[in-house]
Amino acid sequence: GAVVSQHPSRVICKSGTSVKIECRSLDFQATTMFWYRQFPKQSLMLMATSNEGSKATYEQGVEKDKFLINHASLTLSTLTVTSAHPEDSSFYICSAPGSSFATDTQYFGPGTRLTVL
Amino acid sequence: GIQVEQSPPDLILQEGANSTLRCNFSDSVNNLQWFHQNPWGQLINLFYIPSGTKQNGRLSATTVATERYSLLYISSSQTTDSGVYFCAVDNTGFQKLVFGTGTRLLVSP
Repeated sequence: GAVVSQHPSRVICKSGTSVKIECRSLDFQATTMFWYRQFPKQSLMLMATSNEGSKATYEQGVEKDKFLINHASLTLSTLTVTSAHPEDSSFYICSAPGSSFATDTQYFGPGTRLTVL
Repeated sequence: GIQVEQSPPDLILQEGANSTLRCNFSDSVNNLQWFHQNPWGQLINLFYIPSGTKQNGRLSATTVATERYSLLYISSSQTTDSGVYFCAVDNTGFQKLVFGTGTRLLVSP
């Protein structure tokens, strides 16, 4: 099956710093990728859709200036958490669909655990 | 937006027991997937099943799209089945998955 990687797997940073998380599709191309956030013992919530060659689209309530997304190539999307604060501490997971068809499997990365001190 | 509810929220089983997890959704969907989230957070694809029935080893799933629910069956459970099971659906056609509330499963030896 398709493989999606994320880097780093875990990051601890001080309040006010910025953190970049990378998401890569390893054996397939992805014109679209998705970023989710999961708080402890909760479900996953979609944050934004990353589009290769165009701006990301954000879900309601997600600050686009705080969560910068760049889809640099057909295999790489990055999420930058700017001026991170303790309430941004969470588990961030990216995904990529296996194809551009609406009816297709999505593949998820292993996640990045962010802790802001 | 679409609502996705899963039941039961928590489930404790003895090894070897069978179980059924349910996912109810509030609107018609064009994509439904079941995932197992392991203790390290990795989401493992179990089934892509917007309709019909599929089986993979000890796991099987059935989605009745007209009645807006899906069931995940686990037979002869093992301790490695422990974790959280999520169903996720898309009704936008843009592959934007909405995750259910999850079922936390603990299988004891």
